[in-house]
This record gives sequence, structure tokens and C-alpha cells, in this order.
Amino acid sequence: EPEVTQTPSHQVTQMGQEVILRCVPISNHLYFYWYRQILGQKVEFLVSFYNNEISEKSEIFDDQFSVERPDGSNFTLKIRSTKLEDSAMYFCASRRVDSGYGYTFGSGTRLTVV
Amino acid sequence: EDQVTQSPEALRLQEGESSSLNCSYTVSGLRGLFWYRQDPGKGPEFLFTLYSAGEEKEKERLKATLTKKESFLHITAPKPEDSATYLCAVQALSGSARQLTFGSGTQLTVLP
Repeated sequence: EPEVTQTPSHQVTQMGQEVILRCVPISNHLYFYWYRQILGQKVEFLVSFYNNEISEKSEIFDDQFSVERPDGSNFTLKIRSTKLEDSAMYFCASRRVDSGYGYTFGSGTRLTVV
Repeated sequence: EDQVTQSPEALRLQEGESSSLNCSYTVSGLRGLFWYRQDPGKGPEFLFTLYSAGEEKEKERLKATLTKKESFLHITAPKPEDSATYLCAVQALSGSARQLTFGSGTQLTVLP
């Protein structure tokens, strides 16, 4: 069964450092998303990406965040200058044009900012 | 603002003891309601999508139902492998991105 692949599974970084989280969505999916889940809290929407541009973003997705699809397979989330409160699980997701099957989520990257 | 409330927060069942999880929602216009299963340290795993009141979907021991204000996930004769956090999410009609708004989840433990 096709899956969304995320790397790394766990990343530890120092406050103020830049991190890039990587995702390989399912090949015939056209919509891509990043969500995050702070420990013990809800899964929250960050940003959606379609046709090589951001289609919507939440209030969380400020100027410290950016997304990119550098080639035909990868989808990345960059945090420019990490803060302690950025520590969370970050999930990449993708879906087909018809969303009847919902999203397919990756297994996540656990980001720990120290 | 779209809101999703799930109850109970946690539920412990004996193997074979059927029960239901609740998801109450407020959304300006519902495109779809989704149920996901999440195991510790993993991403949400898709279970069901419901689109209109009265709709029901089944998968093995799970059955999801939808009304205009809430959804139920019924678990019949659960097994220990059904232990997980069950997440409910809504997708609004507005917006092109079709992002999901999640509830906090119900952590289900099924004891052998």
C-alpha cells in the first residue's frame, strides 16, 4: 500500500538553529499538507500546498516557517530559527484530488528543540 | 471557528465489551467528517469518511455514524489490538485547501 515517507524520524536541534523536515508524498497525490502535534495536544493544521504554491496556512505558520517542493517527489518544511515551543511531532500528509479516502499521513518527525 | 469535541478522553474496556466513542462538532458547513486511528508515536491512520447525516460505515469491529451535530464510533466486541487513540476531524465546505480540524481524541485501552 502506498505510503507517505518522512525523514528523519527524530531530530534534536538547538534553539535558534534552522531545521528542514522532509517528506515524500504518495506519487499520484496533488495536495500536500503539514500538521503538527504538540505532546498531549490536538493535531493542528499548519499549511497546505497545491500546484507549487501555498493554498492556505494557519496562524501558526508565521514567517519562521516555509515550505518547498524542490523536485517532483520531495516536500519540505523549513523552520528558520527554532524556538523551544516548536518542539512537537510534525506530520506530512497528502491526498488525491477527490478526498473521499481522506488524507494519508506519514509517521511523523519528532522535533525536539533544546 | 470550527470545533471538535471528543468524549470520553480515555476509555478502558474488557475484551469483548462493546462501547461507543462520541465526537461533537461545530462547523459552518460540513464537507466531511473523518475518523482516524493513531498508535503511539505514529501518524493518524485513516478509518472512515462520513458526508451526510444518517450515513453509516463499517470496517471489521468498527462502525461510524453521523448526525447533524455529532458522530459516534461504535466498537463491537473489541480486542486488545484495537487499543489506540481514535481521532475525529471535520472538513469544512469553505476554503480550497480542505484542511482538517481535529478533536483531542479518545484513548482506548482494551484489556485481555
